[in-house]
Amino acid sequence: AQSVSQHNHHVILSEAASLELGCNYSYGGTVNLFWYVQYPGQHLQLLLKYFSGDPLVKGIKGFEAEFIKSKFSFNLRKPSVQWSDTAEYFCAVNFLSGNTGKLIFGQGTTLQVKP
Amino acid sequence: DGGITQSPKYLFRKEGQNVTLSCEQNLNHDAMYWYRQDPGQGLRLIYYSQIVNDFQKGDIAEGYSVSREKKESFPLTVTSAQKNPTAFYLCASSMGQSWGVGNTEAFFGQGTRLTVV
Repeated sequence: AQSVSQHNHHVILSEAASLELGCNYSYGGTVNLFWYVQYPGQHLQLLLKYFSGDPLVKGIKGFEAEFIKSKFSFNLRKPSVQWSDTAEYFCAVNFLSGNTGKLIFGQGTTLQVKP
Repeated sequence: DGGITQSPKYLFRKEGQNVTLSCEQNLNHDAMYWYRQDPGQGLRLIYYSQIVNDFQKGDIAEGYSVSREKKESFPLTVTSAQKNPTAFYLCASSMGQSWGVGNTEAFFGQGTRLTVV
């Protein structure tokens, strides 16, 4: 069965530290990849997405992610985090088959940034 | 305003009762999804639909049912067979693959918090 795994469940960083959140997925077929963020009390927002082309994608608020097909990974990075980045981060994979797509989310990573 | 509307925001249900959660979108999206969000478990897929009158079970479909009679609507019924229904439920939609492989980004509603009393 298709699955998405996020390695870090709870990350605590100080402001200006660098961030990397891991995401791996099962399956070897065609996928679309996403990172979503959920700020406290708000609904899910898209940070960035990958469909094809350059495997290094840039998103909003200085986030970027790299797709490594051979490792089935799509890790999220930010060189310098801010207190306002405190939120829950979800990796999501749309497993495509014919005309259908099954969008599966990882378990989420709670990021706490200390001022 | 275009978007996804879930109603109600809060819902209380007595044990043994069925309850239906509403999800409406005016984005002209083909695909719609229902997720359940529990602390530490992320979003788990309940049901999804790529087109009107067709839907598929997700990873945790037991105790739930859906219908897709109209493109803009995808209601979720939580039946009495669902053993642990208290949760936060999220509905999402996307353009779908028929619009091209790059159009599967999902947009979310504000969610419905269901509590069984």
